[in-house]
Amino acid sequence: DAGVTQSPTHLIKTRGQHVTLRCSPISGHKSVSWYQQVLGQGPQFIFQYYEKEERGRGNFPDRFSARQFPNYSSELNVNALLLGDSALYLCASSFGVMGNTEAFFGQGTRLTVV
Amino acid sequence: GENVEQHPSTLSVQEGDSAVIKCTYSDSASNYFPWYKQELGKRPQLIIDIRSNVGEKKDQRIAVTLNKTAKHFSLHITETQPEDSAVYFCAATSNSGNTPLVFGKGTRLSVIA
Repeated sequence: DAGVTQSPTHLIKTRGQHVTLRCSPISGHKSVSWYQQVLGQGPQFIFQYYEKEERGRGNFPDRFSARQFPNYSSELNVNALLLGDSALYLCASSFGVMGNTEAFFGQGTRLTVV
Repeated sequence: GENVEQHPSTLSVQEGDSAVIKCTYSDSASNYFPWYKQELGKRPQLIIDIRSNVGEKKDQRIAVTLNKTAKHFSLHITETQPEDSAVYFCAATSNSGNTPLVFGKGTRLSVIA
């Protein structure tokens, strides 16, 4: 049984470019959340989606956007990349909304902006 | 919104000793408190969680305690082993469906053989 899968695993982009990160939740899970983890810090919440609807947004600029597809997979898009966007981007899936059921993380996408 | 404070930021213990990591939260509506272990270069893994209707939960060498009145919760690891070395994160949220998991800044645990 596959866990949460994210692609790509590593990515190098130039300032000003755009990036799309992808996440496939555990089969049967309907909620996907995105987190940014800077080295040495805890994950910071970016978005939560449940049943294809946005259920929450963290304190991130409008350059960050996301969506959830009918198969419950999700994309995180970041426009006009800044050096400070370099981080590990984690996706977490859960059967229900966050807090009702356990959340499981993918291995993350390591984004480096140069 | 919720704010989670975690202490200590680093912790070194001798193999076989116990380790305790403490967290406080600010939002009285929070009622779900998971703990995650993250080894270097790997994903955070859920190791134990507790809901606000219980005060303590154990799973082999790991236990979590919750004091709702004081808004404190703690992770206890007994008989530590070198493979327990990792960064541990506490988190808090409610089951309202509209609040995210809010994480502490992490504790780097080193178990010295």
